[in-house]
Amino acid sequence: AQSVTQLDSQVPVFEEAPVELRCNYSSSVSVYLFWYVQYPNQGLQLLLKYLSGSTLVESINGFEAEFNKSQTSFHLRKPSVHISDTAEYFCAVSEGSYQKVTFGTGTKLQVIP
Amino acid sequence: GAGVSQSPSNKVTEKGKDVELRCDPISGHTALYWYRQSLGQGLEFLIYFQGNSAPDKSGLPSDRFSAERTGGSVSTLTIQRTQQEDSAVYLCASSLGDTSGNTIYFGEGSWLTVV
Repeated sequence: AQSVTQLDSQVPVFEEAPVELRCNYSSSVSVYLFWYVQYPNQGLQLLLKYLSGSTLVESINGFEAEFNKSQTSFHLRKPSVHISDTAEYFCAVSEGSYQKVTFGTGTKLQVIP
Repeated sequence: GAGVSQSPSNKVTEKGKDVELRCDPISGHTALYWYRQSLGQGLEFLIYFQGNSAPDKSGLPSDRFSAERTGGSVSTLTIQRTQQEDSAVYLCASSLGDTSGNTIYFGEGSWLTVV
């Protein structure tokens, strides 16, 4: 059965510093991986996703994530965070041809001015 | 609107009462999901509907929870004999459902408080 582990519940980081939000998944078959973001008082929305091809995927606001099959990881990174990146970030996985999406417990990113 | 619509946005109910939460998915989306979001619990999968297939109910926490989807569109999540631990935000989401890896689009959620 698929599962997702987000190791950090909260990550405080100073503005303009780099950040990495960790995500590990468990699955016995091929996977599709996602990062969703929930800004304060807003709904969840897709940030980026890995389906196939290049293992490095990017979002329009400077985040990137790399699919590492050997380490079963899909960590999210940004080289320089902004105050507006303060949000809760959820990693998610779906397996093979089955579309059920399983989410992690979320990581709250707090950007400190 | 074009997004996933949920109602009510907020519901306060007394312990032991039944509640119904409604979800209107994006038009044309065949896949519909219900999740529950509680503090520190992340997004807990409840149930998944895909077209005319039997729903995946593996995430429903007890037999007090049930959901149906009529005409392949609107869905209702029913919680019977509510308990305080049912207090949470109930999120509905939909996707095209034609292939794996589809983006899921979430509604704003229904905030349930059981007093």
